[in-house]
Amino acid sequence: ILNVEQSPQSLHVQEGDSTNFTCSFPSSNFYALHWYRWETAKSPEALFVMTLNGDEKKKGRISATLNTKEGYSYLYIKGSQPEDSATYLCAPNSGYSTLTFGKGTMLLVSP
Amino acid sequence: DGGITQSPKYLFRKEGQNVTLSCEQNLNHDAMYWYRQDPGQGLRLIYYSQIVNDFQKGDIAEGYSVSREKKESFPLTVTSAQKNPTAFYLCASSTTIQGAGYGYTFGSGTRLTVV
Repeated sequence: ILNVEQSPQSLHVQEGDSTNFTCSFPSSNFYALHWYRWETAKSPEALFVMTLNGDEKKKGRISATLNTKEGYSYLYIKGSQPEDSATYLCAPNSGYSTLTFGKGTMLLVSP
Repeated sequence: DGGITQSPKYLFRKEGQNVTLSCEQNLNHDAMYWYRQDPGQGLRLIYYSQIVNDFQKGDIAEGYSVSREKKESFPLTVTSAQKNPTAFYLCASSTTIQGAGYGYTFGSGTRLTVV
């Protein structure tokens, strides 16, 4: 079982604040890293899949970076909005079809 | 629209009874998965299947059983042998094409409460 750590566990910010979370994973046998957003009462939604060291992906105000050599990825949200409130999950895989998920970072954005 | 349907959304059962959770997808995905979520824990893999009529145990398969008779369907049975069945159950599917990175599409989950 891969050891996947996400920090912080939870975060409460004000609307307009920028924030970032960390996902740490084993750097050996790395194949891909997935980020998902999971809003309450909805299905987890794919945000990014990243495969190459140094990858940077962006979707609107959300971006992510990947460092496969040291085994971490950062997710950034610029100018947080209440609709960004969700749990953000990361999941690396090592070339197999199953994903191992971290416990997630729960973000609450207050108006 | 293509997607994954899990039913029911909420399920209540008496202790000692088996219960089957439904998961159906129309995405033409070969692989399907069942995960369980408990408070304060990440998603944990119960069973997965990469092809019809074949499936593998995940990290916490004890007390569960599955079948994969059709590509579209991957039902999960929670048996009376499962010691702590009350949890949130999430089904997912994916293509098995390696270049896609095996990203999942998820259902909306079933919350099972055993009393």
